[in-house]
Amino acid sequence: SQTIHQWPATLVQPVGSPLSLECTVEGTSNPNLYWYRQAAGRGLQLLFYSVGIGQISSEVPQNLSASRPQDRQFILSSKKLLLSDSGFYLCAWVPSGSHTQYFGPGTRLTVL
Amino acid sequence: GQQVMQIPQYQHVQEGEDFTTYCNSSTTLSNIQWYKQRPGGHPVFLIQLVKSGEVKKQKRLTFQFGEAKKNSSLHITATQTTDVGTYFCAGPWENMRFGAGTRLTVKP
Repeated sequence: SQTIHQWPATLVQPVGSPLSLECTVEGTSNPNLYWYRQAAGRGLQLLFYSVGIGQISSEVPQNLSASRPQDRQFILSSKKLLLSDSGFYLCAWVPSGSHTQYFGPGTRLTVL
Repeated sequence: GQQVMQIPQYQHVQEGEDFTTYCNSSTTLSNIQWYKQRPGGHPVFLIQLVKSGEVKKQKRLTFQFGEAKKNSSLHITATQTTDVGTYFCAGPWENMRFGAGTRLTVKP
């Protein structure tokens, strides 16, 4: 069966520090992958999506970047975190030929 | 650009009362999806609507897609404490945008 993993589960980082969040999917190939951010009590903001290795589309210009070094790996990064980067970061995948998004458990990031 | 608006933002009901959340789009949607996020959890897919005027039911949940495919609703009959969470509409899958969600709380 397919599963999606995200780590770390929680993270507290100082302003100006770098960030690397990882998302991996098991049990499938060539999925579409997505990064969302959810501020406390708010909706989901699409940050990046990828339809294949090395293919990244950015939805919101900001100090975040994404990479897809392998078919089932999606990484969210930042060189210098801002206070406004705090939030709940969710990775999601869509199976090839499907339209349903399956979300990972998320990473709660607090920037102090 | 395309926007998906959702109302109300919050809804508090007594257990056993009904609940409805509404989703409106500024443009016609080819399809729409609904998700539920329990407190502290991640969104979980509930259903997808594709056809104009489509109505789908899942036990006490009824989902509707408007005739013009610009609005949708989720209705829960006789809410239970297990219904607590935030309900999101999203669409279309080709250019997914999520509504802000409706947070439902249920008083036992």
